[in-house]
Amino acid sequence: SQQGEEDPQALSIQEGENATMNCSYKTSINNLQWYRQNSGRGLVHLILIRSNEREKHSGRLRVTLDTSKKSSSLLITASRAADTASYFCATDAWGNEKLTFGTGTRLTIIP
Amino acid sequence: NAGVTQTPKFRVLKTGQSMTLLCAQDMNHEYMYWYRQDPGMGLRLIHYSVGEGTTAKGEVPDGYNVSRLKKQNFLLGLESAAPSQTSVYFCASSSLRLAGGDTQYFGPGTRLTVL
Repeated sequence: SQQGEEDPQALSIQEGENATMNCSYKTSINNLQWYRQNSGRGLVHLILIRSNEREKHSGRLRVTLDTSKKSSSLLITASRAADTASYFCATDAWGNEKLTFGTGTRLTIIP
Repeated sequence: NAGVTQTPKFRVLKTGQSMTLLCAQDMNHEYMYWYRQDPGMGLRLIHYSVGEGTTAKGEVPDGYNVSRLKKQNFLLGLESAAPSQTSVYFCASSSLRLAGGDTQYFGPGTRLTVL
């Protein structure tokens, strides 16, 4: 069963706008990561946030984590055409060598 | 550094045929993983390995076998392919226990069709 569920499943915005996607998970986690997947390619790691962190930034990316609500959000500011991709959250738990991935959000940036 | 590579990129099998997918990494990573990706399902873990000579089952191991004879290689075998195994297969590797917060590096994928 999937640990993470992304919302929305698909999102289309104009270039330059901000894109926000959300991830909800079911059980307690140690870390939460976000990955990007361009069409027909493998996943690429974007950012990791630990369970004791609430917010993290990396370039145009901002990730928040609310462990009380078991949810995370990924904000991409000033979107570009190259941001068109699917975005996945992935979680891990203490003592578990495995990542559990969500079902992904497909983001389309309209030039 | 080539990172994580997968062979082959595409393959078409008939039901009942067997094949082996090869994953290789040149980053000296201890941990390696095989996932399958199906539309609307995200990635599901098939098998993984925490070091040379070790393997463990993931979420969807049935119908697959794996071997990790060398640290840099992780093989995924299908002994008798079924149409339900039509999917895109991804290999990944990482250097630390995930509890320590490491990221996974993914290969480009193998698109397998079973007729």
